[in-house]
Amino acid sequence: DGGITQSPKYLFRKEGQNVTLSCEQNLNHDAMYWYRQDPGQGLRLIYYSQIVNDFQKGDIAEGYSVSREKKESFPLTVTSAQKNPTAFYLCASSSGTGKGTEAFFGQGTRLTVV
Amino acid sequence: RKEVEQDPGPFNVPEGATVAFNCTYSNSASQSFFWYRQDCRKEPKLLMSVYSSGNEDGRFTAQLNRASQYISLLIRDSKLSDSATYLCVVTGYSSASKIIFGSGTRLSIRP
Repeated sequence: DGGITQSPKYLFRKEGQNVTLSCEQNLNHDAMYWYRQDPGQGLRLIYYSQIVNDFQKGDIAEGYSVSREKKESFPLTVTSAQKNPTAFYLCASSSGTGKGTEAFFGQGTRLTVV
Repeated sequence: RKEVEQDPGPFNVPEGATVAFNCTYSNSASQSFFWYRQDCRKEPKLLMSVYSSGNEDGRFTAQLNRASQYISLLIRDSKLSDSATYLCVVTGYSSASKIIFGSGTRLSIRP
């Protein structure tokens, strides 16, 4: 079945540590996105990538880094510079092949700083 | 001004009621519009696409008003299972555009 897989579902990080969230898609989509969601809030764009080996900062990129070495994969690293990383992280992809760019989501990763 | 704005709610309505949400967008060049539904602690899922003159799917109707730059979602005969957060999404015509989400409108249906 085609879809987007995020792992892990739950992640605990000690203060000062970097952690990497995985996002893999087999939908052959060009564009991939990372969003952050805080309790009771909407989705805020962290980074997005429209093509392999290229990505752009979203609205809240500070303290995060990404790579796009393969079309299928768009990992997000939460660095120690991110002061308040506890949140729900969602990865999405879209085809962008014409009539609309509907986004498909992974099931999300809940990151907690302990 | 936010690129996509929604009334956060919460909307608390009785079962069987009709409820409507609006969403405004700032970029007049936006081409594609969607409503997503998000259940508590879950990922958003596509509810409806809104292309030109609107879209209807059972109890749900979505409308687009390009002149005033807003889209709406109407839910008729609401069910308890409709309780969720509804997210408005606006994007361009290709993946060259960002996908922008509104902050969501919370809906709670009471028995």
